[in-house]
Amino acid sequence: QVQLQESGPGLVKPSETLSLSCTVSGYSMTSGYYWGWIRQPPGKGLEWIGNIYHNGKTFYNPSLMSRVTMSVDTSKNQFSLIFYSVTAADTAVYYCASLNYGGTASWGQGTLVTVSS
Amino acid sequence: QLVLTQSPSASASLGASVKLTCTLSSGHNTYAIAWHQQQSEKGPRYLMKVDSDGRHSKGDGIPDRFSGSSSGAERYLTIASLQSEDEADYYCQAWWGTGSWVFGGGTKLTVL
Repeated sequence: QVQLQESGPGLVKPSETLSLSCTVSGYSMTSGYYWGWIRQPPGKGLEWIGNIYHNGKTFYNPSLMSRVTMSVDTSKNQFSLIFYSVTAADTAVYYCASLNYGGTASWGQGTLVTVSS
Repeated sequence: QLVLTQSPSASASLGASVKLTCTLSSGHNTYAIAWHQQQSEKGPRYLMKVDSDGRHSKGDGIPDRFSGSSSGAERYLTIASLQSEDEADYYCQAWWGTGSWVFGGGTKLTVL
């Protein structure tokens, strides 16, 4: 059973950089699957941020790609998100997930990130 | 560009059935989608994948009360014998391109 766990700071100052990591357990990332980040602002719906494959190939939401970078560390079975120049509008619960076309899916529990001075 | 459209809200009585709809944008009616449930103050949970031919495959532990179907550009989630714990937000999600995801706006289901 694939399990995902987000980690990172809960508070980030405006204009600074947000960094989050997701640790995968129960499955080796090198076996396949796409690994992604999704966020949910308070009271709003889910917004896909981007995906990464185990070989490092990335796919980003066009509306966010100018401020986002994702990376993978298969030796740690982790993948990461960097979000640049954050504003209050980036305050959200950030989820890591693997939503696979073959019909399996796993979600992390989510981590709240607040952007405030 | 693939867009998924969901009604913002739905309601049904305890013990009744409800059918939620996710509509694929024009030109994308062969796409499969997935349904995810998000109960209040919780993270999303994967329910099932629904193919364009109506076949569906559920995630582990999803009750038989949940089923999926398709018609044209519409993908459905039917919940039978509604229980109070089914009150939640339901999101459809699709895969497009070679590795991207897209979500619908979500439907808030109220169990009366």
